[in-house]
Amino acid sequence: EAGVTQFPSHSVIEKGQTVTLRCDPISGHDNLYWYRRVMGKEIKFLLHFVKESKQDESGMPNNRFLAERTGGTYSTLKVQPAELEDSGVYFCASSLFGQVGAKYTEAFFGQGTRLTVV
Amino acid sequence: AQKVTQAQTEISVVEKEDVTLDCVYETRDTTYYLFWYKQPPSGELVFLIRRNSFDEQNEISGRYSWNFQKSTSSFNFTITASQVVDSAVYFCALSEVTEKLVFGKGTKLTVNP
Repeated sequence: EAGVTQFPSHSVIEKGQTVTLRCDPISGHDNLYWYRRVMGKEIKFLLHFVKESKQDESGMPNNRFLAERTGGTYSTLKVQPAELEDSGVYFCASSLFGQVGAKYTEAFFGQGTRLTVV
Repeated sequence: AQKVTQAQTEISVVEKEDVTLDCVYETRDTTYYLFWYKQPPSGELVFLIRRNSFDEQNEISGRYSWNFQKSTSSFNFTITASQVVDSAVYFCALSEVTEKLVFGKGTKLTVNP
């Protein structure tokens, strides 16, 4: 079974440009999460989709970040316009169940997209 | 507020040594989950263990063991007889009802031959 896949693995862009990151979750996983690790700091939550709906977007840093998950399958995270402080590793994760009810499964992470804004 | 502290930024050991990675957490919820993830050089985060707040039993999986102590809010991870392949960054994380994970800053473990 394929794991969580993220594209691209690396991206170097200039300040002011637009970048779109893509995440393909594990097939059948309704929950999809975006996280970000800025150099030397913690991995921080950005947002959580349940199918195509945004369940929690409290971690999105500002309105330059736009996440979508059309059809409840893959997700994209667009940064427009990119700023220097957006540099970091962006992780996507997916899980089968949420914490509602008796079942909770771990989140499976992708390899991350390393974004460098110069 | 939720917080996870991994005080050890980097640890270096020689192969076959035992090593313990510390994790201290803060939460106001009585129901929560604790996790350890491994990040090898390839970059992905690999799930190692999940423990819920009502289960304080220690767990052993091969050379890995975890010690969960609610009294000290700690969830430490021990690797016995470390191997070079254990070299990675290890993250401790906490999740409450909202499902999102709160991570520590990670501990970079280097196991030298």
